[in-house]
Amino acid sequence: AQSVAQPEDQVNVAEGNPLTVKCTYSVSGNPYLFWYVQYPNRGLQFLLKYITGDNLVKGSYGFEAEFNKSQTSFHLKKPSALVSDSALYFCAVRDYGQNFVFGPGTRLSVLP
Amino acid sequence: DADVTQTPRNRITKTGKRIMLECSQTKGHDRMYWYRQDPGLGLRLIYYSFDVKDINKGEISDGYSVSRQAQAKFSLSLESAIPNQTALYFCATSGPPGAVPEKLFFGSGTQLSVL
Repeated sequence: AQSVAQPEDQVNVAEGNPLTVKCTYSVSGNPYLFWYVQYPNRGLQFLLKYITGDNLVKGSYGFEAEFNKSQTSFHLKKPSALVSDSALYFCAVRDYGQNFVFGPGTRLSVLP
Repeated sequence: DADVTQTPRNRITKTGKRIMLECSQTKGHDRMYWYRQDPGLGLRLIYYSFDVKDINKGEISDGYSVSRQAQAKFSLSLESAIPNQTALYFCATSGPPGAVPEKLFFGSGTQLSVL
């Protein structure tokens, strides 16, 4: 069965510094990977996806993610964090039934 | 107006009560989903529907039922609510019809508390 792990419950980073939110996955077959963000009192919003092609995927709000097949990872990155990036981030994989399986989430705090 | 609308936004109910959460969408998508979110557990799939005549159980369907009244409407019911159903519930859609789903669109959520 497909699964997603986010090894860090919380990531703290200073404003202006680069950030990384980690995700590893387990799938049978080709992975379809996603990142979503949840701001307080809001639903999840799509950030980016990897379906095929380049291993570095660019998404919304300056975020990007690097797909690494050998390490089964799909880490979310941003070169320079903003306080407004503080939110809950979810990694997800689409399974063979075309449903989406989510990780437990990582809370990102960007400190001014 | 929001593309995926959930009502109510908040609900407090008592153990044993029946409750319905409603979801409507204006995106024209055929696929609709109900998830619940619990701290540290992420989102878990309760039920999903790929069209009006297609309803499927998800990972945690026990204690829940759904109805797809129309392509745009998908409601979730708790027949007899219990305290461990206290959670944040999300409706989501994906589409367009016939296409492989490439992302989900979420409503704003319903915070349900069962006392």
